[in-house]
Amino acid sequence: NAGVMQNPRHLVRRRGQEARLRCSPMKGHSHVYWYRQLPEEGLKFMVYLQKENIIDESGMPKERFSAEFPKEGPSILRIQQVVRGDSAAYFCASSPTRYNSPLHFGNGTRLTVT
Amino acid sequence: AQKITQTQPGMFVQEKEAVTLDCTYDTSDQSYGLFWYKQPSSGEMIFLIYQGSYDEQNATEGRYSLNFQKARKSANLVISASQLGDSAMYFCAMREERGSSNTGKLIFGQGTTLQVKP
Repeated sequence: NAGVMQNPRHLVRRRGQEARLRCSPMKGHSHVYWYRQLPEEGLKFMVYLQKENIIDESGMPKERFSAEFPKEGPSILRIQQVVRGDSAAYFCASSPTRYNSPLHFGNGTRLTVT
Repeated sequence: AQKITQTQPGMFVQEKEAVTLDCTYDTSDQSYGLFWYKQPSSGEMIFLIYQGSYDEQNATEGRYSLNFQKARKSANLVISASQLGDSAMYFCAMREERGSSNTGKLIFGQGTTLQVKP
């Protein structure tokens, strides 16, 4: 049973470009969460999605950031017009339910904005 | 609001000894889950152990055990017989378990860096 797959593992973008981060949850998992980790810090919640629906985006910056989880295909975290402050590790996690189960994390995407 | 506090930025332990990593939490929810994750230098997040707020016994998973003291709102991780491969960052996290407004998101602490000395 493959784990949560994230790609790319590393992504370098210049200021002003767009970054697209992809996440395929574990088989059978319909709940997807995105987190951001700045250097030497814990993970900060960004957004929670179920298939085709954004359930909680309380941690998402209001501008430039968007997320989707289409009926078919991976979940996408999209950052438009990236700035240096967007440089971080972005983790995706999936879960079969909202309750009584851990989140299983992917290996993360390390975004560097030059 | 929920909050997780890890007060030890860094810890050292001698190989083969036991070590306790502290975690305290704050929540007004009656039903919640507590988790510990390990993040080695390679960066991935590895789930270690889970404790439900209604579980009467402390959770154990191999060399990991969770010392759950509900009244004190603490959920310390105990690693027995430390190994060099245990050197990593360790995160404590909490998740609501019930309620229509529950989104199941995890709230993380700041983490504790553990170094195991040979």
